[in-house]
Amino acid sequence: GIQVEQSPPDLILQEGANSTLRCNFSDSVNNLQWFHQNPWGQLINLFYIPSGTKQNGRLSATTVATERYSLLYISSSQTTDSGVYFCAVYTGGFKTIFGAGTRLFVKA
Amino acid sequence: DAGVTQSPTHLIKTRGQHVTLRCSPISGHKSVSWYQQVLGQGPQFIFQYYEKEERGRGNFPDRFSARQFPNYSSELNVNALLLGDSALYLCASSLPGQGAGEQYFGPGTRLTVT
Repeated sequence: GIQVEQSPPDLILQEGANSTLRCNFSDSVNNLQWFHQNPWGQLINLFYIPSGTKQNGRLSATTVATERYSLLYISSSQTTDSGVYFCAVYTGGFKTIFGAGTRLFVKA
Repeated sequence: DAGVTQSPTHLIKTRGQHVTLRCSPISGHKSVSWYQQVLGQGPQFIFQYYEKEERGRGNFPDRFSARQFPNYSSELNVNALLLGDSALYLCASSLPGQGAGEQYFGPGTRLTVT
């Protein structure tokens, strides 16, 4: 089945720093989402981005479907950005596959 | 509008027992998916239902089953509970006609099996 790999697995930033999170997938996908999971377990939608580039405030994402990767950019990080970031891909077999996540900690 | 709701919030069961978890999708959403998230890992896909029919199934044993009702709410049932079934169970809903489409997640049910 399709493999989804996220990097880096862990990231520690000083408040105000920028970062790039990467999601690689091993086969073509129908869509891709980025989520932020808060400490209480709630998955918060960041981007629905099968292809192209989107921006929402300090966050932006780019998916290059032909090269099977997606990037999530976080600029001017804040302590509230801490948590786990997941990418999830939807395959033609009606399955959604999550990556293992990037654990981000932003220090004040 | 209300988001995806799940009940109960927390649950403690004993090995060998049965459990039923419930999910109500966002109004207008006809597709519901279930996921299991073990501590420290990403969510694992269990089922997707659309218009009351199972469309996709992950690599879970037959002890796991689900159904979707005419109002598009859904139940996840797990029989003969094992200690390894302890996890956060997440439900997601999405609009019709878009495959999985953009999925929106509920707060989850935290199941502890002792």
